[in-house]
Amino acid sequence: DAGVIQSPRHEVTEMGQEVTLRCKPISGHDYLFWYRQTMMRGLELLIYFNNNVPIDDSGMPEDRFSAKMPNASFSTLKIQPSEPRDSAVYFCASSLGLAGGQRYFGPGTRLTVT
Amino acid sequence: QKEVEQNSGPLSVPEGAIASLNCTYSDRGSQSFFWYRQYSGKSPELIMSIYSNGDKEDGRFTAQLNKASQYVSLLIRDSQPSDSATYLCAVRDGGSNYKLTFGKGTLLTVNP
Repeated sequence: DAGVIQSPRHEVTEMGQEVTLRCKPISGHDYLFWYRQTMMRGLELLIYFNNNVPIDDSGMPEDRFSAKMPNASFSTLKIQPSEPRDSAVYFCASSLGLAGGQRYFGPGTRLTVT
Repeated sequence: QKEVEQNSGPLSVPEGAIASLNCTYSDRGSQSFFWYRQYSGKSPELIMSIYSNGDKEDGRFTAQLNKASQYVSLLIRDSQPSDSATYLCAVRDGGSNYKLTFGKGTLLTVNP
């Protein structure tokens, strides 16, 4: 299996611009998670989906952030407008069920907002 | 706010030594605990899970859990330079079947 695929791997944008991060989960996995990692706050859960349906978005920092999962093989995380404090590494992860705490993480997208 | 605390390190040990990584958590209802390893510039990967008080061994790795003290540890025996990474402690929130709260991680450096 190819693992979780994320694109782009690096994104540099200016404050105020729209940013879209993309994720393809492992085929057959029914859960998809979006995490953000910073030195200050560590790894934080933003939102998760079960069978393409958003279940809990309480970790989404504010209305500037939105996430969609139109089908089982694709999800997006959008930030509009972006701000410098959004600079972080954004990870997508997927899992088959929730037992065991196993999350298969993608390589991440390093976002820099100037 | 449920918290998972780890010393940020760096923890430096010589090759062949035992590395001891520690983690405390605030949620007394937590029942499931995990250790993830993250190499620099890479994504986290699960290396150990533990659910019951006591020790759980897997190769050179031993996870230890003490729920009364709200304490989890990871021991790495015969440390190798390839073990150099950041180790993240993750705790499943009590009452939740999905939410993991991660610590900020401890950076381990194994010196040849």
